[in-house]
Amino acid sequence: NAGVTQTPKFQVLKTGQSMTLQCAQDMNHNSMYWYRQDPGMGLRLIYYSASEGTTDKGEVPNGYNVSRLNKREFSLRLESAAPSQTSVYFCASSGRQGLDGYTFGSGTRLTVV
Amino acid sequence: SQQGEEDPQALSIQEGENATMNCSYKTSINNLQWYRQNSGRGLVHLILIRSNEREKHSGRLRVTLDTSKKSSSLLITASRAADTASYFCATDARGSYIPTFGRGTSLIVHP
Repeated sequence: NAGVTQTPKFQVLKTGQSMTLQCAQDMNHNSMYWYRQDPGMGLRLIYYSASEGTTDKGEVPNGYNVSRLNKREFSLRLESAAPSQTSVYFCASSGRQGLDGYTFGSGTRLTVV
Repeated sequence: SQQGEEDPQALSIQEGENATMNCSYKTSINNLQWYRQNSGRGLVHLILIRSNEREKHSGRLRVTLDTSKKSSSLLITASRAADTASYFCATDARGSYIPTFGRGTSLIVHP
């Protein structure tokens, strides 16, 4: 089915470990986004990529890096995980300036101990 | 910072009743969207209303937008237990096209 695929679905890291969250979309969307969702905080934008080859910081970029590998794939990297990065991470994509809505992946639940 | 804020934070109703939730935002927008999130799942797009529109319908959903008050409402008519979920509004500031989300309204529909 067309949509946004995120891997892994669950991950437990120790403080200081690194990992990359993968995201791929097959809808030929130009724009892709990474959000984190914490209880009572809603969704907060970490980074986004308006088009292939560009990335920009969102509201909470500290501690993260991103790579827009190609039009389909947008990865999020935690270089040195901290307990404050325990969260649920969502990738989303959109085309046509979002006029068709944003399509979300099912999320990655990350725990840093 | 959150651009949109939903109200109420939580809403509990009986099946068959209507559910109304509101969203207020701070700056001029291009579009306003509503999303649903079932527990443990990703967000699902429900409806988009443009800044030059005042009302939009989709099935049992009715969305209104009042740009003078910087507010929107989502009405779910004849609610069902399956409507139990969190509902989020998302706005993109004029010229930005980057959506920012509120904290959501948690809706529980009792059978």
